[in-house]
Amino acid sequence: QQQVKQSPQSLIVQKGGIPIINCAYENTAFDYFPWYQQFPGKGPALLIAIRPDVSEKKEGRFTISFNKSAKQFSLHIMDSQPGDSATYFCAASTGTDKLIFGTGTRLQVFP
Amino acid sequence: ETGVTQTPRHLVMGMTNKKSLKCEQHLGHNAMYWYKQSAKKPLELMFVYNFKEQTENNSVPSRFSPECPNSSHLFLHLHTLQPEDSALYLCASSPSPREKLFFGSGTQLSVL
Repeated sequence: QQQVKQSPQSLIVQKGGIPIINCAYENTAFDYFPWYQQFPGKGPALLIAIRPDVSEKKEGRFTISFNKSAKQFSLHIMDSQPGDSATYFCAASTGTDKLIFGTGTRLQVFP
Repeated sequence: ETGVTQTPRHLVMGMTNKKSLKCEQHLGHNAMYWYKQSAKKPLELMFVYNFKEQTENNSVPSRFSPECPNSSHLFLHLHTLQPEDSALYLCASSPSPREKLFFGSGTQLSVL
């Protein structure tokens, strides 16, 4: 019940495409859903986060869609660029300090 | 955005060695964390410190021993590790637990 299931494991798109990464969870107590971006040789960095009181949040070309009833949330990258090539992790947490991460999605954007 | 520095960047050690990983944060945060990152697995939380006090030990084997002398420094002492302990060890900090995590670049550990 503490897991966050992330898919796909890897994703290849062309420049300008809209990659979509999906995550699903079981624990209805989760109330914070961040996405982290990790470039090779670097640690993860917070990209965007959402709380369950909204169904969508946009920051630049990055959008989180949240479906509370389905217990799913997804990351969309509009007009993807080669510089977006990275590994993306979804995560979830409750009122405790433990953030549960997904397994990661390696995104490659080709010119 | 950095502000969390980890040393060394790479470490190769034998199973009988003793080594330490160091993490320093210059962000004025009160919470610090150790995570383990293995290929195709979720990031695994190992330890959490808040105001220098350990608040979480996620069932980590005793061959990993953390130390937090102050809110800016965090160490992970390693002793008699196993090859399956080879991974990227990430340090992170946050203003307080549950707030945005700031990660270092990690130490890539190889146990031979």
